[in-house]
Formats: sequence, C-alpha cells, structure tokens
Amino acid sequence: GAGVSQSPSNKVTEKGKDVELRCDPISGHTALYWYRQSLGQGLEFLIYFQGNSAPDKSGLPSDRFSAERTGGSVSTLTIQRTQQEDSAVYLCASSVLGLAAYNEQFFGPGTRLTVL
Amino acid sequence: GNSVTQMEGPVTLSEEAFLTINCTYTATGYPSLFWYVQYPGEGLQLLLKATKADDKGSNKGFEATYRKETTSFHLEKGSVQVSDSAVYFCALSPSSARQLTFGSGTQLTVLP
Repeated sequence: GAGVSQSPSNKVTEKGKDVELRCDPISGHTALYWYRQSLGQGLEFLIYFQGNSAPDKSGLPSDRFSAERTGGSVSTLTIQRTQQEDSAVYLCASSVLGLAAYNEQFFGPGTRLTVL
Repeated sequence: GNSVTQMEGPVTLSEEAFLTINCTYTATGYPSLFWYVQYPGEGLQLLLKATKADDKGSNKGFEATYRKETTSFHLEKGSVQVSDSAVYFCALSPSSARQLTFGSGTQLTVLP
C-alpha cells in the first residue's frame, strides 16, 4: 500500500517568504507527527496530531511555525517569514493510534527546505 | 527533560566485522526505546524496538537490549554487510507522550 507522502520534495525560497509543506499520511493512521532534521540540531520533534484532540505543539521553535490537519488526514506545516536557520529536511510520520505502549511511526521521504 | 546520546561517527568497518553503536538515554518513567535506520536516499525506517526493561529487540541480524540499570540500548550486529551502510538513530518515546526524541545519528560505512 501507499506510504507517507510529502510534497514538495525540495523547496528553495528567499528569506522572509512564507512556505507550506504538505504531508499525506497512510490511510487510516490517526496520529501524525512533524519532525525537522538539520545539521546543527539533529532530528527534532515539532508537532503531533492525535485524532480529534488538540495538537501537541510543544516542539515548534517559534510562532512563525504552525500546522494544521484537515479532516483528520492531510497536514500542512506553514513557516512564515522564513529565516536561513529554517533550512532543514522536514519529516512527516504517521501511526495508528492504539492501546499499545508504542505504535510504529512510518516516515515520509521528507521535504528539503533551503532558505537563501 | 528527555535526551538520547549516541556514539559519534562516522564508523567505518570491513565486511563481516562486529558492530557496536552505543546509545544511552535520560528520561523520566519507563520510555520505549528504538533504533531507526536511514539508508542512502531513503526515509527513516524502524529497525527494532524494546518497550520495557530487559527486552531485546532484534531485526535483520541487529540486536539491542533495554538496560534500565545503565540506561543504555546499544546496537550490535555480529557480521556487518556492505548493505548495512546507513545512518543509525537511537530514539526514545516517553511513557507520557508519543513523539520520539532522537540521538544525533551515527553514519556507518561498511567496506567490501
């Protein structure tokens, strides 16, 4: 079956512009996560959507970052007024939401963002 | 807060050599522990996991044992192959949350 997909695969933008990154989770997965992979900071958690609950935004680095998930499926991560330090690979993951101590997260291929 | 410290790379080995990548963690409660692998040009994949103390996760010849007394989850393989060349990430998921906290990653290169 189809895995997690992300678009675009690469995005080059100018400092100060807004960008939107898209994630299509695996069908039926109710949990969705955004992470950021950068040279200086490694892999960092950004935000987590769980079913219809309020998202956990504790990892967002500033108020320039926001995300939404429409209809419990597709998610969009928006970065406003981009800065050079926002350059990174943005990863999306999804999982089923069950009673197990942990449900495997399946990762997408990522969007490589370059801010000039 | 939660954190994961793993052996810095890069690590270069000859085929059939023994592999150890060290990983230690700091967390409250009883986290689940994981190793993820990122092959060149591919996305992150779960390699193995352990959800409680003394559990051993294993997959594709790789093993790691959840050691609560030493807060460690070292990755081992008895005989590496060229196809194991990848970046390996140790990670934890605390009992109170679902998101992963990752280590910095270890680049492994296996030479024929």
